[in-house]
Amino acid sequence: KAGVTQTPRYLIKTRGQQVTLSCSPISGHRSVSWYQQTPGQGLQFLFEYFSETQRNKGNFPGRFSGRQFSNSRSEMNVSTLELGDSALYLCASSLGLAGGSEQYFGPGTRLTVT
Amino acid sequence: ILNVEQSPQSLHVQEGDSTNFTCSFPSSNFYALHWYRWETAKSPEALFVMTLNGDEKKKGRISATLNTKEGYSYLYIKGSQPEDSATYLCASSNTGNQFYFGTGTSLTVIP
Repeated sequence: KAGVTQTPRYLIKTRGQQVTLSCSPISGHRSVSWYQQTPGQGLQFLFEYFSETQRNKGNFPGRFSGRQFSNSRSEMNVSTLELGDSALYLCASSLGLAGGSEQYFGPGTRLTVT
Repeated sequence: ILNVEQSPQSLHVQEGDSTNFTCSFPSSNFYALHWYRWETAKSPEALFVMTLNGDEKKKGRISATLNTKEGYSYLYIKGSQPEDSATYLCASSNTGNQFYFGTGTSLTVIP
């Protein structure tokens, strides 16, 4: 079956702009999690959506938001971009069962803010 | 917030050597421990999920153990091959399905 897809793969934006990233999970998966990775940092958890509801949220400012659609596809939005938002953004889909179902990662979106 | 720690940060071994790395995690609210392999230019790939104290999992030359009482997991690679070169990530998940990742161990296997 098809894996997790993310679009776009690469993006260059300027400070102050906003950006929307998209993630299509594996068919049948209802949970989508978003992570940010910057050099020297581990994967930092942004949020998780399950059945169109935000179920978990990490410690990121309100400029980072997301949503999930009825087909489980998810979008992440970052408003008022800052240089420090330059990172690799990964999404992961899973069945979303309590305790941590195996997560399947997409290829990521590389965001560069200039 | 759960702090998952991995050591060493990086490792260089000769082809054929066996190696191991450590993942430590707080035991509060723990449900499962996950290991991933992340090769350059690819997506992280799940290796193992373990939940019970004393769990051991094996996939080919790679195996992992879990000690939930003391809060650590070991990943072992027997007879390392160049294709094992990757970053190995561990993550702890809680009952609410929230994952906390370590910063990874970067393994380079020298032919």
